[in-house]
Amino acid sequence: DAKTTQPPSMDCAEGRAANLPCNHSTISGNEYVYWYRQIHSQGPQYIIHGLKNNETNEMASLIITEDRKSSTLILPHATLRDTAVYYCIVRPFNAGNMLTFGGGTRLMVKP
Amino acid sequence: DAGVIQSPRHEVTEMGQEVTLRCKPISGHDYLFWYRQTMMRGLELLIYFNNNVPIDDSGMPEDRFSAKMPNASFSTLKIQPSEPRDSAVYFCASSFWTGGAGELFFGEGSRLTVL
Repeated sequence: DAKTTQPPSMDCAEGRAANLPCNHSTISGNEYVYWYRQIHSQGPQYIIHGLKNNETNEMASLIITEDRKSSTLILPHATLRDTAVYYCIVRPFNAGNMLTFGGGTRLMVKP
Repeated sequence: DAGVIQSPRHEVTEMGQEVTLRCKPISGHDYLFWYRQTMMRGLELLIYFNNNVPIDDSGMPEDRFSAKMPNASFSTLKIQPSEPRDSAVYFCASSFWTGGAGELFFGEGSRLTVL
């Protein structure tokens, strides 16, 4: 029951913006879009979430298309420490805080 | 805040032995989750609790697995008897329900190897 589709891997040059796409064409009106990342051998780490509007925090920006069928996570100035697997997840409003992880995108930031 | 604390960080055991993994969630959090991660299957949700009550255990692979949360500050995941295919990293996560959106805080994981 794959709710999101992400490319399996991406490369990015250090200092450049990393744009990670996610397709969630079957998203419902009451579902949030969440992004987590997992640095090698660590537990996943929350990055950002959104419902309709674009969001920005100290880590990243989340751009959600107007029809909500896709989104992009933007790391404005990628560093080597941003090398990780990035997970895009959709979660219903009333699902408690339960998250179902897919395969994610393995981002490699290169010097 | 110390974050979610898991123990042991590494466990090596032999097939047939009982394994107990432990988790201390962040104080004040009302949700606790157990996940398992393998190369083949990725991150799988095994079970989660709300206010110490198991809500959904449909991800528990079989009867050899059991989880308890006797109080708000402690949970265990037990495997008895263990098998080599149980080898994985087991993550515990906790969160506080805010009525809409909330983030999960993960522990560092317990890496289990069953020989």
